[in-house]
This record gives sequence, C-alpha cells and structure tokens, in this order.
Amino acid sequence: SQQGEEDPQALSIQEGENATMNCSYKTSINNLQWYRQNSGRGLVHLILIRSNEREKHSGRLRVTLDTSKKSSSLLITASRAADTASYFCAALSGSARQLTFGSGTQLTVLP
Amino acid sequence: SQTIHQWPATLVQPVGSPLSLECTVEGTSNPNLYWYRQAAGRGLQLLFYSVGIGQISSEVPQNLSASRPQDRQFILSSKKLLLSDSGFYLCAWRYFNEKLFFGSGTQLSVL
Repeated sequence: SQQGEEDPQALSIQEGENATMNCSYKTSINNLQWYRQNSGRGLVHLILIRSNEREKHSGRLRVTLDTSKKSSSLLITASRAADTASYFCAALSGSARQLTFGSGTQLTVLP
Repeated sequence: SQTIHQWPATLVQPVGSPLSLECTVEGTSNPNLYWYRQAAGRGLQLLFYSVGIGQISSEVPQNLSASRPQDRQFILSSKKLLLSDSGFYLCAWRYFNEKLFFGSGTQLSVL
C-alpha cells in the first residue's frame, strides 16, 4: 500500500516562481525523504527529514514535516527549467526496513 | 565512493521468455539491496529486498524472483515473462535507515 501520497499530481510554473509539493502518509515514520526523477532515469535523493525535525533546508530546497498531520511539503524556490522532473516522497516507517514511495508530482518549469 | 551499476538499460522480450537483470554495487559492504518496479507515470512498487547474501524478502507475489549470490550483487529473474511484467525496473542500495541510491534503471517491454 502507498505510504506517501503527493499532491498535486502535476504542477506547471514559470521559471523563477516557487514550487510547492505536498506529501501525506499514513503511519508513524522514522524519517521522510524526497527524491527527484528525470524522465527515464533512476531516482536521486534530494533531502531527508527525521521525525523529530520540523524543517530542513538544502540550497533552494526547503522541506517541512508535520507529524501531527502526517504531512510534509517540499518547496523549491526560484525554480529553473532544469528543475523539470518528477518528485517523490518516501516514508520510512518505524519498524520497516524499506521506504514506501508515493505516486509523485510531475513538475514542469517553463522558461 | 559508492556506485551502483544496473544493466541493460533497455530490454525487449517476447512473452514466455526468461529474464535476468543484474545489479552490482561498488564501494560499500553489506548493503541492503532493493528491486523496485515503476509503471509509466506512477510511483515505485517494492518487489524484493535483501539484507545479506542469500536473504531475500518478497513484497509482492508474482512471476518474478530475486537472488543475491554475492554481497554486492542482486539479480532479478523470471522463468517466463508475462505482458504485465513490462515496466521500469530499478535497483537500489541503502545503508541502515538512510537514503537510497538508485541505479539508472532498465526499461523492460514484454511483447
């Protein structure tokens, strides 16, 4: 079953704008991770936030985690055309040995 | 540094033919290894994972099997492919509860 579910499923913005993607999950987690996938390629890890953290930054990325709402958001600031890709959240539950991925958000950044 | 190799990149196979996809990891020891499948425009479905040589856990009953003959080698197999086995197959490795490192993927088309 899906642990993480992203919304929106697709997002189209202009270059320079910010992009926000949301993720909801069902059970308690150890950490939550965000990945990026260019078309036809493997996934690349972007950022990991632990269950005891509320916010984390990495370059133009900002991730928040609200464990009371079982949700996370990924913000990409000052987007670029090269940010066009699919973005997935993945939740590692407390007892699991594997990550469970959501269905992803397809982000298109128009030049 | 650690790297992961997955091949082939593309594979077209007739229904009923056998399958063997190989994945090897370099630069690390005793990694957790994973096989995921991704349908077009969808999230990742965990197929198999392994925490050690000869130790395979199956997440989804299906026409596929996995083996780990060496510490850093993970093989996905089928004796007879079905049309429904088509998809994008991704190998990945992970250390403890941290991030996954993905291979570049194999696009399998069963015709």
